[in-house]
Amino acid sequence: DAGVIQSPRHEVTEMGQEVTLRCKPISGHNSLFWYRQTMMRGLELLIYFNNNVPIDDSGMPEDRFSAKMPNASFSTLKIQPSEPRDSAVYFCASTPGGGAGYTFGSGTRLTVV
Amino acid sequence: AQSVTQLDSHVSVSEGTPVLLRCNYSSSYSPSLFWYVQHPNKGLQLLLKYTSAATLVKGINGFEAEFKKSETSFHLTKPSAHMSDAAEYFCVVSDRDNDYKLSFGAGTTVTVRA
Repeated sequence: DAGVIQSPRHEVTEMGQEVTLRCKPISGHNSLFWYRQTMMRGLELLIYFNNNVPIDDSGMPEDRFSAKMPNASFSTLKIQPSEPRDSAVYFCASTPGGGAGYTFGSGTRLTVV
Repeated sequence: AQSVTQLDSHVSVSEGTPVLLRCNYSSSYSPSLFWYVQHPNKGLQLLLKYTSAATLVKGINGFEAEFKKSETSFHLTKPSAHMSDAAEYFCVVSDRDNDYKLSFGAGTTVTVRA
């Protein structure tokens, strides 16, 4: 089991550019989450998918952020246009549900300059 | 709403001595509680979880935690710290009605002195 796979590991981009973060959940996990981690705010849930359907996107900061899950094995988080305040580590996590814990990916460290 | 409070932002221990990380929770019902560890530049790894079964929960790497309802606590302990335990630790509670919603504590950074 390769775990939750995120790419890229690091991303440096200029303000105004589009950024796409990718996630492959663990096979068989029907729930997927995108989190953002910053020093100031800690870990924040951005969006939650269940069976590929967005269930709760109340944590998405603004319209510049969008997420998709076209199938059970792939999800993207897109920021367009990016801003320096979006700099953070973005984590993807998945779980099979039923009270099981979550498995987190290694994260994407995004720096917007 | 449920929440957790980690009482120490930083804990420093000597290798081979016990580790205690304190966590108090606030919930109107019996919660599901978790401890996660995050090593530098890594994702979060589940150490252990409590889901209303045994109150003493054993996790990976020699860690364990005890759920005490009377004290609303879920402290994490390890009898003997190892250098590899240096990391950040998060106490987490899930929303029973919406169990996908996790509330993370602010984290406790553990340093281990040789």
